[in-house]
Amino acid sequence: GAGVSQSPSNKVTEKGKDVELRCDPISGHTALYWYRQSLGQGLEFLIYFQGNSAPDKSGLPSDRFSAERTGGSVSTLTIQRTQQEDSAVYLCASSPVGGAPGEQYFGPGTRLTVT
Amino acid sequence: SQQGEEDPQALSIQEGENATMNCSYKTSINNLQWYRQNSGRGLVHLILIRSNEREKHSGRLRVTLDTSKKSSSLLITASRAADTASYFCATYPPGAGNMLTFGGGTRLMVKP
Repeated sequence: GAGVSQSPSNKVTEKGKDVELRCDPISGHTALYWYRQSLGQGLEFLIYFQGNSAPDKSGLPSDRFSAERTGGSVSTLTIQRTQQEDSAVYLCASSPVGGAPGEQYFGPGTRLTVT
Repeated sequence: SQQGEEDPQALSIQEGENATMNCSYKTSINNLQWYRQNSGRGLVHLILIRSNEREKHSGRLRVTLDTSKKSSSLLITASRAADTASYFCATYPPGAGNMLTFGGGTRLMVKP
């Protein structure tokens, strides 16, 4: 079946502009995660959704970052007033109900470049 | 700081050789997972080892876990040029709310 998809695959934006990144999880997966990966680094957790609610927003780096999920499916990560340090690959993952603890399936990511 | 730290950060070997990557972590875990990433994009899940397991195999992959030392290793046997990628360990601590914590990764290059 279809995996996690993300759009756009690449986004170049000017400093100060807002961007929206989209994630379509695997159908039926109730949990959804956003991570950020800076160049040559490991993944940094941003936010986690269970259904439409976000019990853990502890990883959001600033109040310029927000995320929502509607209908228990698609999620949007919004970065307002982008800064150059926001440049990174943003990865989304989803988990099935009843999967192994921590079992996550990742999308291909959105590479964000802030100029 | 990151929960998992991989060692070495970069590894270059010839095709056919074995590649060993190590991961250390700091807190107790429910399980530890290894992922592969090509060209800085999506991660592919390789193998999951639970805290009560010591060794696990999957094809040419062998993972060990030593919870007393808080470390794990990933061995790729008979490496191929197609194994060139970055490899990350990720830990799932108890009560993590499903959040995985990733290390910085090992960049493996397999020369043909």
